[in-house]
Amino acid sequence: QKEVEQNSGPLSVPEGAIASLNCTYSDRGSQSFFWYRQYSGKSPELIMSIYSNGDKEDGRFTAQLNKASQYVSLLIRDSQPSDSATYLCAVNHRRGSTLGRLYFGRGTQLTVWP
Amino acid sequence: GAGVSQTPSNKVTEKGKYVELRCDPISGHTALYWYRQSLGQGPEFLIYFQGTGAADDSGLPNDRFFAVRPEGSVSTLKIQRTERGDSAVYLCASSTLAGAFNEQFFGPGTRLTVL
Repeated sequence: QKEVEQNSGPLSVPEGAIASLNCTYSDRGSQSFFWYRQYSGKSPELIMSIYSNGDKEDGRFTAQLNKASQYVSLLIRDSQPSDSATYLCAVNHRRGSTLGRLYFGRGTQLTVWP
Repeated sequence: GAGVSQTPSNKVTEKGKYVELRCDPISGHTALYWYRQSLGQGPEFLIYFQGTGAADDSGLPNDRFFAVRPEGSVSTLKIQRTERGDSAVYLCASSTLAGAFNEQFFGPGTRLTVL
């Protein structure tokens, strides 16, 4: 079982719609969760971090965390063509010296069409 | 302020050669991380430093890979006897401290191609 799993997509939504991206993780002791956006040919850009159960909103982005279900999601409201990118879910485990490392999913490719 | 910088942006080398990849973290960030990313995959952890010492090098694939951070700032990832399978984008990230709640910010990456 992989540490972090994402539906690779592609996910295609029309402009103005809500895009929903999902991620599950295997280590129940995980403490922090991140969403990165990666445009084609570019490096990952941090867009959201979440540490506690529930929702965290930042502009058009909402991250949702459910530790009991080992599930984290990212909602993008009013999707724009400029949101078209690969979205990477990353998880930080709680394992002594590995505290610093992030485990990444393969990413979900999102396309927002006008 | 300036973000994480990496040089070179592209490196093409021949199988068996030695390469060095450089990372300059965000000023004031004490933790530095190396990942590599193959096409269609998420970044894969290699090593991280807290200050000058390697806190976790468990992601280095074999002893051909080595990284240093002698003064606690700039880091160099060194790959000996390169193989075609080493071709990937090598990403560097930094954070204020190492730990579960510290956000990591990535540099632009070095695309390594081994012919």
